[in-house]
Amino acid sequence: DIQMTQSPSTLSASVGDRVTITCRASQSISHYLAWYQQKPGKAPKLLIYGASTLEGGVPSRFSGSGSATDFTLTISSLQPDDFATYYCQHYHTYPYTFGQGTNLEIK
Amino acid sequence: QLQLQESGPGLVKPSETLSLTCTVSGDSITSSSYYWAWIYQPPGRGLEWIGTIYYSGSSYSGSTYYNPSLKSRVSISIGASKTQFSLKMTSVTAADTAIYFCARDREGVGTFDSWGQGTLVTVSS
Repeated sequence: DIQMTQSPSTLSASVGDRVTITCRASQSISHYLAWYQQKPGKAPKLLIYGASTLEGGVPSRFSGSGSATDFTLTISSLQPDDFATYYCQHYHTYPYTFGQGTNLEIK
Repeated sequence: QLQLQESGPGLVKPSETLSLTCTVSGDSITSSSYYWAWIYQPPGRGLEWIGTIYYSGSSYSGSTYYNPSLKSRVSISIGASKTQFSLKMTSVTAADTAIYFCARDREGVGTFDSWGQGTLVTVSS
């Protein structure tokens, strides 16, 4: 199985900050990477797929980049609604696997 | 508008079979553009893909793909009404206690663009 490792596990930031979350795959997954946002008690929400393509309706302050094994999710200017847990997920081959999550909390 | 809703028992005894159903409205399970998946999340932990089904048109069971770590215990099928798909997991233990989500896999590429709200299943005697 391809292992996905996110860093950091917890990130403290303030409204207006620019933040970056990193995801590393244990082997090359090309651009087959998605990012999700999950709030407590809710289902995950797809933000980005194809490593950098924004899902419809997702604010443009979210962006993704990377390929092969190293990927990043960037939020350009944090808004109050962005404090949540973020997961990366590869879909290069079965089985699909997720990162362990990054908890983005208010500083 | 697409909606997915999980249903099933919230409590299952150890060694028994967990059975959940996902009811899909606002879209067709038989659409060739979509696959349908189950994903679970143990309390306070991350997400794990259980498996995916694609309606092949030839049978209710569809084409299925399972996580090898669970393959011997799980099965996913499509209901006769073609508005539901189901998950069965046998020989459950406390480690299977989790929130179970059903989701749509857009075009079968592995991106989950719509999710149910999730249902908590507790394995306990």
